[in-house]
Amino acid sequence: AQSVTQLGSHVSVSEGALVLLRCNYSSSVPPYLFWYVQYPNQGLQLLLKYTTGATLVKGINGFEAEFKKSETSFHLTKPSAHMSDAAEYFCAVSLYSNSGYALNFGKGTSLLVTP
Amino acid sequence: DARVTQTPRHKVTEMGQEVTMRCQPILGHNTVFWYRQTMMQGLELLAYFRNRAPLDDSGMPKDRFSAEMPDATLATLKIQPSEPRDSAVYFCASGLGTGGSKNIQYFGAGTRLSVL
Repeated sequence: AQSVTQLGSHVSVSEGALVLLRCNYSSSVPPYLFWYVQYPNQGLQLLLKYTTGATLVKGINGFEAEFKKSETSFHLTKPSAHMSDAAEYFCAVSLYSNSGYALNFGKGTSLLVTP
Repeated sequence: DARVTQTPRHKVTEMGQEVTMRCQPILGHNTVFWYRQTMMQGLELLAYFRNRAPLDDSGMPKDRFSAEMPDATLATLKIQPSEPRDSAVYFCASGLGTGGSKNIQYFGAGTRLSVL
């Protein structure tokens, strides 16, 4: 079964520093991978996705992620953190069954950005 | 601006009461998902529908939870009777239900349920 593991439930960075949020996946088939962001008291918003093709995926708000099959990873990065990036980030893998697609989410990583 | 609408946003109820949560998916989306978010378990898939038919509800406690889609514009999640352990944020999401680049789910703002 497809699953994801997010390393680090809390990550703290200084404003302007590199953001790196880690996600490793487990899948017996080529995965579809996603990063979602959740701001306080809001629903989840798609940051970016990898389905096929280019392994470096660019998303909204300056985030990007690279699919590395050899490392079974899909880490999320941003060169320079802004205060507004403070939120909960979820990595997810698409589950396929005979009935269709659903998402299996990681436990989430809470990003804190300090001045 | 198309979005998934969930009502109510907040619900406080007493143990044993019936709770109904509603979701209006984005117009044209044919799949609807219900998730539950708690601190301990994170995001859990409860059920999902395609073209109003339930495809998978294995994540849902069958004895007290039920999910339906009376029509294409409304999905409901009911808990009867409710228990304190049901306290969580319940999210609805909708999508086009196909693979590849169309396999994106759009989330509502959630219903925060507190069962006392």
